[in-house]
This record gives sequence, structure tokens and C-alpha cells, in this order.
Amino acid sequence: SQTIHQWPATLVQPVGSPLSLECTVEGTSNPNLYWYRQAAGRGLQLLFYSVGIGQISSEVPQNLSASRPQDRQFILSSKKLLLSDSGFYLCAWSSAGTGNYGYTFGSGTRLTVV
Amino acid sequence: GDSVTQMEGPVTLSEEAFLTINCTYTATGYPSLFWYVQYPGEGLQLLLKATKADDKGSNKGFEATYRKETTSFHLEKGSVQVSDSAVYFCALSDPGSNYKLTFGKGTLLTVNP
Repeated sequence: SQTIHQWPATLVQPVGSPLSLECTVEGTSNPNLYWYRQAAGRGLQLLFYSVGIGQISSEVPQNLSASRPQDRQFILSSKKLLLSDSGFYLCAWSSAGTGNYGYTFGSGTRLTVV
Repeated sequence: GDSVTQMEGPVTLSEEAFLTINCTYTATGYPSLFWYVQYPGEGLQLLLKATKADDKGSNKGFEATYRKETTSFHLEKGSVQVSDSAVYFCALSDPGSNYKLTFGKGTLLTVNP
């Protein structure tokens, strides 16, 4: 069966420090991968998605970047965190080429920038 | 572009009350529709889905019917429990948008004993 792992679960970082959040998927090949952010009390914002290794699409201009060094690995990064980067970050995957099954989400990383 | 509009919360109900959370959508193609649930401090879980008009998705006593004529996918449950307290998100996946999932803003449901 397919599983998605996301870590760390919580993170407290000072302003100006770097960030690296990792997401891996098991039990499937060539998944579509996504990073979402959920700010406190607000809905979900799609940050990045990837349909293959090295292929990253950015949905909104921001202080963050994403990379996909391997087929089932998706990394969210920042060189210098801002207070506004605080939020709940969710990784998700879906089967390539079809939208009938929706996305499967990881358990999320709660990032607090202080 | 695609969009999902769901009723603003929060919604507060007593146990065993009837629940409706309204959801309407706009899409460029023929989308699949979903309801996700997020329990406190957790990620999102797929609650139910429907992939074509008049399909009814159901799970854990929740139901939603894909109404193409009214572009709606309202979530219902006949008798809510305290354990149903969570945030509920309506979403669509549109082939015209490369199957990216578009979410509504979420509705916080609190069920009191």
C-alpha cells in the first residue's frame, strides 16, 4: 500500500534561519507531488507541485522553494525564514494523469517562526 | 479559473443534530468532487468523493451528491457525533487544470454533547 511520510512534525525556527522540510512517498511510482500551506484559521494554499523529477511549478511568489531530487522525494526549503512563513505545511501525492482519486496527505509540519 | 465556495463557519451543533455544509463550484472542465476532513492537529483525510453527475459519495454516515445542474456538492449527515468535530473542506479536481486540487476555505464544525 502507498504511504506518505512528512517530517518533522513540529519546528520552531528563528527569523532569518534556513528551512528544509522533507516528504517521501512509498508504494507508488511517478506520483504527482504537492506542497500546501495552511495559515492559522485559513484555508489551504497550493505552494508547489511536481509531475516528475526536477519538474517544479510554483503557484505563488514567495520566500520558499521546492525540489524533487528523486521520484518519491519532495523537499520544501527556504534560505531565510520570515515571520509570515509560519503555518501548517502539508505534503500530498496523487496518481499521475487522473484526478479521480484525489490526493493523499501527509500528517503535516507545524512551523513557527519566532 | 476553478473555484470552490463553501459555507462560512463556524458551525456549532448538538449531538444527534442534522448537518449540512453547502459547497458550490466553478470549473473549466468536468471535475471530480471531494470532501476532506481535518481533525485537530492532523493532516487532511479524504472523507468521500464523486466523479460524475448524480453520483453519491458516502462514508461514516456522511453523504454528498454531485449536482451538475446546480454545480453543488453539499455535505450531509443525519446525526452528528462529538467525534465529528473537525474542519471540513470541499474540493474539486479539474482535468482542464491538470488535475490540481482546488479547495474551499474550510468549515469548522463543533459538536457539543
